[in-house]
Amino acid sequence: DSGVTQTPKHLITATGQRVTLRCSPRSGDLSVYWYQQSLDQGLQFLIQYYNGEERAKGNILERFSAQQFPDLHSELNLSSLELGDSALYFCASDRGPNTGELFFGEGSRLTVL
Amino acid sequence: QKEVEQDPGPLSVPEGAIVSLNCTYSNSAFQYFMWYRQYSRKGPELLMYTYSSGNKEDGRFTAQVDKSSKYISLFIRDSQPSDSATYLCAMSAEYNGNQFYFGTGTSLTVIP
Repeated sequence: DSGVTQTPKHLITATGQRVTLRCSPRSGDLSVYWYQQSLDQGLQFLIQYYNGEERAKGNILERFSAQQFPDLHSELNLSSLELGDSALYFCASDRGPNTGELFFGEGSRLTVL
Repeated sequence: QKEVEQDPGPLSVPEGAIVSLNCTYSNSAFQYFMWYRQYSRKGPELLMYTYSSGNKEDGRFTAQVDKSSKYISLFIRDSQPSDSATYLCAMSAEYNGNQFYFGTGTSLTVIP
């Protein structure tokens, strides 16, 4: 158990809908990262937050948004869902800049029908 | 050119074999090097973490970093069927506040 908690584990929804994925980082970790992994694809970096502030942005679509709250948990919002958004969404956390070790949650599996 | 290159495999070995997994990278500023194991559709699990150059051993696993060649390796001794998974390398630099770069992963199957 990495200590990173993600909910829900599985989610099935329809095209055009909106979903929210939730992540609680490991105790003491200040940074949260979101990644997308499609079937047989590598990890695609979406966005990073550090202590409530957006720190880095990757290949995140405009239909997607995220935030990190004062208690350090984070939410990833996916809207106007398309079939191609079906993927595993991982949250990861670390202590902060220049600490090196990144720990992943078990992921949220999103299926868009 | 991708920041991190990793042979996707698949790699198939008999139980007990020594497995060698490798990644190359292009950014000489990378200082943190990690190997993750990912079972099918599960979260990546941090296996090995190395700062800068050198070797690190943990049980049956040895991680090597050669910064002069921009090459990292993970060796698995006495491989077991439970080692069957996808192995991802990852790295980051100090200057960019921990943005991580991942390889695409190597799929390994250990045959009993």
